[in-house]
Amino acid sequence: NAGVMQNPRHLVRRRGQEARLRCSPMKGHSHVYWYRQLPEEGLKFMVYLQKENIIDESGMPKERFSAEFPKEGPSILRIQQVVRGDSAAYFCASSPRGRGGTDTQYFGPGTRLTVL
Amino acid sequence: DAKTTQPPSMDCAEGRAANLPCNHSTISGNEYVYWYRQIHSQGPQYIIHGLKNNETNEMASLIITEDRKSSTLILPHATLRDTAVYYCIVRVAKANSKLTFGKGITLSVRP
Repeated sequence: NAGVMQNPRHLVRRRGQEARLRCSPMKGHSHVYWYRQLPEEGLKFMVYLQKENIIDESGMPKERFSAEFPKEGPSILRIQQVVRGDSAAYFCASSPRGRGGTDTQYFGPGTRLTVL
Repeated sequence: DAKTTQPPSMDCAEGRAANLPCNHSTISGNEYVYWYRQIHSQGPQYIIHGLKNNETNEMASLIITEDRKSSTLILPHATLRDTAVYYCIVRVAKANSKLTFGKGITLSVRP
């Protein structure tokens, strides 16, 4: 049973370019979460999505960042017009539908974005 | 979500038990205690979680005090590969709620 997959693992962009990060959840999981870890800082929640729905985007920066989880295919975190401050590790997690401790999140290996 | 407090670091000898403490004095009755770890710069790895009873799995044991204000993660026989940052997280038992990570505790296992 493959775990959460993320690609690319490393991404280099120049200022002003777009970055697209992809996340394929574990088999059977329909919930996806994105977290960001800035250098020397802790992990911060960004957004939580179900298929075709954004459920909680309270951690998303107001501009340039967007996320989607289409009916078919991986979840995409898109960063437009990247700046050096976007350089970070971006982690995706997935979970099954559940509550009461049955919806444990499992993380992928992350995408390390470097903005030159 | 209730806040957790962990010491910044600790170490233990390889082969010995590692006992990682966590305080969560403001925990509510509907909040779970979760433990994750992050080895170097890898993705966080789920370890274990519990509500009020002690829990054990193939990786670790979780001991939650009767008043639920603190807990201890026990790695029974630490190895060098257990060197990581360990995060204690209190999470409301609402379906698919987010995880709020603190600074965690850095465990160093020495040979």
